[in-house]
Amino acid sequence: DADVTQTPRNRITKTGKRIMLECSQTKGHDRMYWYRQDPGLGLRLIYYSFDVKDINKGEISDGYSVSRQAQAKFSLSLESAIPNQTALYFCATSEGQLNTEAFFGQGTRLTVV
Amino acid sequence: ILNVEQSPQSLHVQEGDSTNFTCSFPSSNFYALHWYRWETAKSPEALFVMTLNGDEKKKGRISATLNTKEGYSYLYIKGSQPEDSATYLCAPWQAGNNRKLIWGLGTSLAVNP
Repeated sequence: DADVTQTPRNRITKTGKRIMLECSQTKGHDRMYWYRQDPGLGLRLIYYSFDVKDINKGEISDGYSVSRQAQAKFSLSLESAIPNQTALYFCATSEGQLNTEAFFGQGTRLTVV
Repeated sequence: ILNVEQSPQSLHVQEGDSTNFTCSFPSSNFYALHWYRWETAKSPEALFVMTLNGDEKKKGRISATLNTKEGYSYLYIKGSQPEDSATYLCAPWQAGNNRKLIWGLGTSLAVNP
């Protein structure tokens, strides 16, 4: 089983719908991140959390919200999906130290029509 | 916002060729530099995390060097193989960026058999 699991892996939704992407990890890491990847733009940070009580906005948080339900779970919500939120979304985790690597989930491909 | 540049943007080499890429970043307030390998349809996986000026790290045929004073890192692949085809991402971690990585756009490597 993957250490960082994202569900769903693929999703097509309609404009205006609410959708939640879920991420769970078994690595015991405190830090969790949500990124989106668009062609030509690289990985952009949406939200990040350094523990259950610490939630921070990233570069592109508008239109998104998150919930850190437990150390192991970090969910990303699109309250009212729009077509320009069509992208590949990645969840990642890391330990607390700056010199430790990030571990990524398999990605969720979201299409908003 | 930290400016991370990777060059070249893409690269095609023949099997057996050796190659290298560059990651450039501002040298001030440096903490760590991450390199990741991202294969198509998979998620990014860490190659190296480097922290000290002059650091050299090696994993099989892949190695990396770090110059924090001038703000660059090189990634080398010796004797490229088709399975090395991937996008190679670098991400520095520096003070003033609210405790998060800033990702380059990557170098896309294609190794022709």
